[in-house]
Amino acid sequence: AQSVTQLGSHVSVSEGALVLLRCNYSSSVPPYLFWYVQYPNQGLQLLLKYTTGATLVKGINGFEAEFKKSETSFHLTKPSAHMSDAAEYFCAVSDSGTSYGKLTFGQGTILTVHP
Amino acid sequence: GAGVSQSPSNKVTEKGKDVELRCDPISGHTALYWYRQSLGQGLEFLIYFQGNSAPDKSGLPSDRFSAERTGGSVSTLTIQRTQQEDSAVYLCASSLVLVGTGGTDTQYFGPGTRLTVL
Repeated sequence: AQSVTQLGSHVSVSEGALVLLRCNYSSSVPPYLFWYVQYPNQGLQLLLKYTTGATLVKGINGFEAEFKKSETSFHLTKPSAHMSDAAEYFCAVSDSGTSYGKLTFGQGTILTVHP
Repeated sequence: GAGVSQSPSNKVTEKGKDVELRCDPISGHTALYWYRQSLGQGLEFLIYFQGNSAPDKSGLPSDRFSAERTGGSVSTLTIQRTQQEDSAVYLCASSLVLVGTGGTDTQYFGPGTRLTVL
């Protein structure tokens, strides 16, 4: 079975400050890892994903994440927060042993950006 | 191009009634997923379709829940005898499954249907 833990249900930063959203996973097989963002009353949008290869993954809107197998982590970062980054962020894992992408999600982290 | 669409966007029903939720995936996407997003349980997988067949129904919470997909396109999620605990946002996602990519395909989500059971 797989699971995802997002540390901190709410994170608040000032505009221009570093954004760090934490995600730890548990998986019995090599994981595929994803970060999605959800704006109010909208569906989820993929920010970035890790499948194989380079462990530092760059995504849209200046976000990046690093897969650290030894720490079972996939934390999301952005050097400088923008007001438009305020949203809810979900970390997810899928099983590399299957042929399809059944996602197991974390509980989500709401990011607030202060002017 | 057009994304994943879902209808209705909001549905209010009375306990015990049946409801149908519709998902129109992105054209050409062979994989379709239903998820449920609720305050208590977060985001949960419900069912996966590849074409018209559903090889993984493991997330359906009870036999009151069923889903079908026709023509490899539109999918309908049906909830019979709705209960208050069924209140949630039901999200549909589709993806283009390429040979050998396994579970790496990007899933594109619709805006969801917010179901409220009174």
